[in-house]
Amino acid sequence: NAGVTQTPKFQVLKTGQSMTLQCAQDMNHEYMSWYRQDPGMGLRLIHYSVGAGITDQGEVPNGYNVSRSTTEDFPLRLLSAAPSQTSVYFCASSPRVFRDGYTFGSGTRLTVV
Amino acid sequence: AQRVTQPEKLLSVFKGAPVELKCNYSYSGSPELFWYVQYSRQRLQLLLRHISRESIKGFTADLNKGETSFHLKKPFAQEEDSAMYYCALKLLSGGYNKLIFGAGTRLAVHP
Repeated sequence: NAGVTQTPKFQVLKTGQSMTLQCAQDMNHEYMSWYRQDPGMGLRLIHYSVGAGITDQGEVPNGYNVSRSTTEDFPLRLLSAAPSQTSVYFCASSPRVFRDGYTFGSGTRLTVV
Repeated sequence: AQRVTQPEKLLSVFKGAPVELKCNYSYSGSPELFWYVQYSRQRLQLLLRHISRESIKGFTADLNKGETSFHLKKPFAQEEDSAMYYCALKLLSGGYNKLIFGAGTRLAVHP
């Protein structure tokens, strides 16, 4: 039982490049979400999903796309990277019965130059 | 608007001293609050849920609805407690259990 797995752990992109951050969970959790973590701002919700085929926007969705074709996977796509997207990205999942909060992945540290 | 405020960016104490990490919330409904901890360059881990009223690693937190606070306390800090601490509020939005986080407080425990 690996929990929530994120890849890659580190990435450097040039402005304008696109990429996909991968997130997979093996706990059969219905809910999955993406957060970005910035100093002094805590964690801000980018997108979330309540199940396969269902996604919605969080607080800071601009510049990001998501899809949820399976229960296990919830990739985050950066369409055209900008320096403002330099951040640490965390994927999280939880069961529908929200007793213990979220389980987080180990994060992806992204730098856009 | 729903909001979580952690007024201190950094709390610096000596080993053995008491610790209180402040968290205030703004929410019109019945709040459900959590504390998460993030050790250096690691993933966030759940530390406490207010519903369970448990004590984890010597930390406790009591929900005070009158003061809209959920402060995290420990009577005697240890060096291994040095970490980033986030207070979070659960919102039910469109059938989804959304967590909104405070900005976090870095706890530094010195020997």
